[in-house]
Amino acid sequence: NAGVTQTPKFQVLKTGQSMTLQCAQDMNHNSMYWYRQDPGMGLRLIYYSASEGTTDKGEVPNGYNVSRLNKREFSLRLESAAPSQTSVYFCASSEAGGNYEQYFGPGTRLTVT
Amino acid sequence: RKEVEQDPGPFNVPEGATVAFNCTYSNSASQSFFWYRQDCRKEPKLLMSVYSSGNEDGRFTAQLNRASQYISLLIRDSKLSDSATYLCVVNLYSSASKIIFGSGTRLSIRP
Repeated sequence: NAGVTQTPKFQVLKTGQSMTLQCAQDMNHNSMYWYRQDPGMGLRLIYYSASEGTTDKGEVPNGYNVSRLNKREFSLRLESAAPSQTSVYFCASSEAGGNYEQYFGPGTRLTVT
Repeated sequence: RKEVEQDPGPFNVPEGATVAFNCTYSNSASQSFFWYRQDCRKEPKLLMSVYSSGNEDGRFTAQLNRASQYISLLIRDSKLSDSATYLCVVNLYSSASKIIFGSGTRLSIRP
């Protein structure tokens, strides 16, 4: 039981390049999330998927797109990376409803130069 | 005013001490509350949910005060391994889109 997995662990991009961050969970959770974490700030929600087939914007969606490929997988795409997107990205999952206790992947450290 | 506020610390306490920190939230409609632990350069991990009646898990005790809109975390007999950042998390309206994270309180336990 791997929980939540993310790839890659590290990535360096040049401004304007694109990339997709992958996330998968094996806990049969309905809801999945993408967050970014910057120094001195709490986690900020980029996008979430309350259930398979739905996605919605969070607090900071600009510059990102997501795809809920199936119940297990939720990917985050940066179409044209900017230095302001340098951050640590965490994927999380939870049951839908109830308390929404979240379980996180190990994160992707992204640097945009 | 931030929706969820925590003292960033650091709290630097000796091993074996008892330490407590609070987290305040601004929205009285908040439904559920959690403490997460985050080690340096790692992902947040759920430490405990916070129930209205308060709850205890070993050396950790969490309390909720709805009247004053804060939650607290008490750690007794602190261990070196308790050194981490503790994140307060509040879910408004029991919604996937309204899970708000505090910036965290850094705790350092010294030998």
